[in-house]
Amino acid sequence: GENVEQHPSTLSVQEGDSAVIKCTYSDSASNYFPWYKQELGKGPQLIIDIRSNVGEKKDQRIAVTLNKTAKHFSLHITETQPEDSAVYFCAASSYSSASKIIFGSGTRLSIRP
Amino acid sequence: DVKVTQSSRYLVKRTGEKVFLECVQDMDHENMFWYRQDPGLGLRLIYFSYDVKMKEKGDIPEGYSVSREKKERFSLILESASTNQTSMYLCASTDTTVNTEAFFGQGTRLTVV
Repeated sequence: GENVEQHPSTLSVQEGDSAVIKCTYSDSASNYFPWYKQELGKGPQLIIDIRSNVGEKKDQRIAVTLNKTAKHFSLHITETQPEDSAVYFCAASSYSSASKIIFGSGTRLSIRP
Repeated sequence: DVKVTQSSRYLVKRTGEKVFLECVQDMDHENMFWYRQDPGLGLRLIYFSYDVKMKEKGDIPEGYSVSREKKERFSLILESASTNQTSMYLCASTDTTVNTEAFFGQGTRLTVV
């Protein structure tokens, strides 16, 4: 089955700097790669996603890149702000897995003022 | 506003008790999921259901069972709670279109003593 690895587990960046979180997946059939943000005391919420027919997607300060050949995808947050502090999860799923979504282990991002 | 509601935010149960965690969604979604969240391990899939009365095992089903008698409700059952089942439990739902956003509940923090 699918396995998703996520790095780093913790990340601390200065406010205004960029943050990058990286994930790799194992199942070449995976074709959907969402990213979720979990704030304290809440369930994860989708912040951006990318499908396998696209190499990059951007939404304001966040962007995701996908390298299908290497089976890895990354989340980039630019001009970080205090409200970006949270736990971020990458995930992967494929049509063949009947909507089963497999998550990475999470990255705790802290923004230093 | 779409909503996934878990019946309890916090639960404390004794070893050996039968525990029910309830999840209700109001989006008419076909797919529902139970995940377990532990530090450093991310979100691990316990069970999922793609239709009423249908269920499939996830990656860590041992010690758990599920029930889906109505489309909007998905219950996770711990037949005989053990201390290693102390964790955060998250319910999620997605619609029948493959590879779409998952909506999460706020989580239930279960402590087994």
